[in-house]
Amino acid sequence: DQQVKQNSPSLSVQEGRISILNCDYTNSMFDYFLWYKKYPAEGPTFLISISSIKDKNEDGRFTVFLNKSAKHLSLHIVPSQPGDSAVYFCAASKVGAGTYKYIFGTGTRLKVLA
Amino acid sequence: DAGITQSPRYKITETGRQVTLMCHQTWSHSYMFWYRQDLGHGLRLIYYSAAADITDKGEVPDGYVVSRSKTENFPLTLESATRSQTSVYFCASRDYPKETQYFGPGTRLLVL
Repeated sequence: DQQVKQNSPSLSVQEGRISILNCDYTNSMFDYFLWYKKYPAEGPTFLISISSIKDKNEDGRFTVFLNKSAKHLSLHIVPSQPGDSAVYFCAASKVGAGTYKYIFGTGTRLKVLA
Repeated sequence: DAGITQSPRYKITETGRQVTLMCHQTWSHSYMFWYRQDLGHGLRLIYYSAAADITDKGEVPDGYVVSRSKTENFPLTLESATRSQTSVYFCASRDYPKETQYFGPGTRLLVL
């Protein structure tokens, strides 16, 4: 049973436009969420995170939105740049329960077209 | 170099052989993790360690063994490799109490 789902395997966006990557989760115990970016032949790198006590977190061009009632989070990249082309993974964790494990989604491959 | 390193970066082995993947971090982070990445599954946790000599299973531990005698090293051993263990393996570390995990560059393993 996939507890964290990224239903779009791929997404193409024009340079300068907004990229919106989506993630759904099923376990209401998750209370911390992260986005990682992964380039080919490299390890994932941390991008941005959000705690369940917030509904939005912003860092430069990247904003993560959390809708707890819908069990949905999204990553907005504005404006999108060709260097943003990568695979994006969302991850969820149960910090409050004292566990330190992430559950990852299957990833969305973003291609930003110049 | 500071950070987290993995070796080897690429490995080809045969079914039934024992293989050890190495992970080394220079930050003295207490937590370390092993993941495998497979198409259609994302990253799945194999084992993790909260400190030296403390390890615990993740989602997919079968066929793997870990040890952590020193804080900076967290080797992953496939005792008898199977084709289903062909994957890309990532090691990560976490600086408690911060939540963020930092990943190594990965080891691509092919089991023939």
